[in-house]
Amino acid sequence: AQTVTQSQPEMSVQEAETVTLSCTYDTSESDYYLFWYKQPPSRQMILVIRQEAYKQQNATENRFSVNFQKAAKSFSLKISDSQLGDAAMYFCAYRSPMTLIQGAQKLVFGQGTRLTINP
Amino acid sequence: NAGVTQTPKFRVLKTGQSMTLLCAQDMNHEYMYWYRQDPGMGLRLIHYSVGEGTTAKGEVPDGYNVSRLKKQNFLLGLESAAPSQTSVYFCASSYAGWGRPLHFGNGTRLTVT
Repeated sequence: AQTVTQSQPEMSVQEAETVTLSCTYDTSESDYYLFWYKQPPSRQMILVIRQEAYKQQNATENRFSVNFQKAAKSFSLKISDSQLGDAAMYFCAYRSPMTLIQGAQKLVFGQGTRLTINP
Repeated sequence: NAGVTQTPKFRVLKTGQSMTLLCAQDMNHEYMYWYRQDPGMGLRLIHYSVGEGTTAKGEVPDGYNVSRLKKQNFLLGLESAAPSQTSVYFCASSYAGWGRPLHFGNGTRLTVT
């Protein structure tokens, strides 16, 4: 079974600086999706960025980018120019390939990293 | 835009009581999911559905039942609540197909005493 590990329970960064959150995963599949979700104190899960494994180019969404290392099974999230609104719990998730029930997107989540932004 | 709506937002139950959590989505998504979130464990899949009238077990299905009688609604039932079911429950939905992102509700905090 696939597993996702976030080894940093908590991280903090000064406002306007850059921070990188780590994520590793274990799988025997060759194609899959990886996601980063943000969970602010409001509790809602918000999609930050996603990456398909067969695409070598790292995904970017404004201040958010990933460093996807397929051979190392690593998927880190870089937040540039950190803002107070970035403070949240961040979850890395792996999307398993299609199951017998066609196409059901069962996400496997990591344990989360709580990010604090210091003003 | 309502998106995914969960009711109730909070609930306290006594051991052995039953309850139903309601999830409604207005995006015409085919797939719906129930997850639970516990400290230090991320989100774990309880049950999911790929269409009206169909459901399937996820990673932690014991003690829960689900129904999807209408495409837009996905119900999660606890027949006899236990303290181990104290958690935050999230409903999510998505379009069918490879790589479509999940859209989440705001969660229900359930405490079983």
